[in-house]
Amino acid sequence: EAGVAQSPRYKIIEKRQSVAFWCNPISGHATLYWYQQILGQGPKLLIQFQNNGVVDDSQLPKDRFSAERLKGVDSTLKIQPAKLEDSAVYLCASSSGLAGVSGELFFGEGSRLTVL
Amino acid sequence: AQTVTQSQPEMSVQEAETVTLSCTYDTSENNYYLFWYKQPPSRQMILVIRQEAYKQQNATENRFSVNFQKAAKSFSLKISDSQLGDTAMYFCARSGDAGNMLTFGGGTRLMVKP
Repeated sequence: EAGVAQSPRYKIIEKRQSVAFWCNPISGHATLYWYQQILGQGPKLLIQFQNNGVVDDSQLPKDRFSAERLKGVDSTLKIQPAKLEDSAVYLCASSSGLAGVSGELFFGEGSRLTVL
Repeated sequence: AQTVTQSQPEMSVQEAETVTLSCTYDTSENNYYLFWYKQPPSRQMILVIRQEAYKQQNATENRFSVNFQKAAKSFSLKISDSQLGDTAMYFCARSGDAGNMLTFGGGTRLMVKP
């Protein structure tokens, strides 16, 4: 079974530029999550999708971050314009149901963003 | 804000010995789930073990076991017979309202020494 795919693995940009990250979850997984992991910290949820609908985006900085999952499969997370504090690893995860019910999130390898 | 706290930023253990990682959490829910995830260097996070809050019995997965103290809101991970491959960041996590999301602690960096 293929795992969660993310790209690019690494990205370096100047502040005020834009960047997009892509995620393809495990086939059949209805729930998709984007987490931000700043160096030395635990992951923080940015947005959660159930199929193509948003379940929780309360911690997404909507003035600069956007995410979509148009067909209920793969997803894109965009940052525009980027700030220095956006330097982090962006983790995508998927689950077959709600995290607490199914019990397990499957994570991708992450996309490491460096903003200069 | 409902939080998950890991008070040990770093720990080390000799190979073959036992180590315990601590975690405390805050929640207003009566039923929820608790998890320990492992994140090896430059590799993706994987689930180590999970506990359902309504179950009294502590979960066990091979060399990994938990000590779940619901009243104290404590959820520690014990690794027995530590192996070099156990070297990683370990994150404690709790499910949120209706299990909609996971809230993670800040992590504990575990180094297993030969």
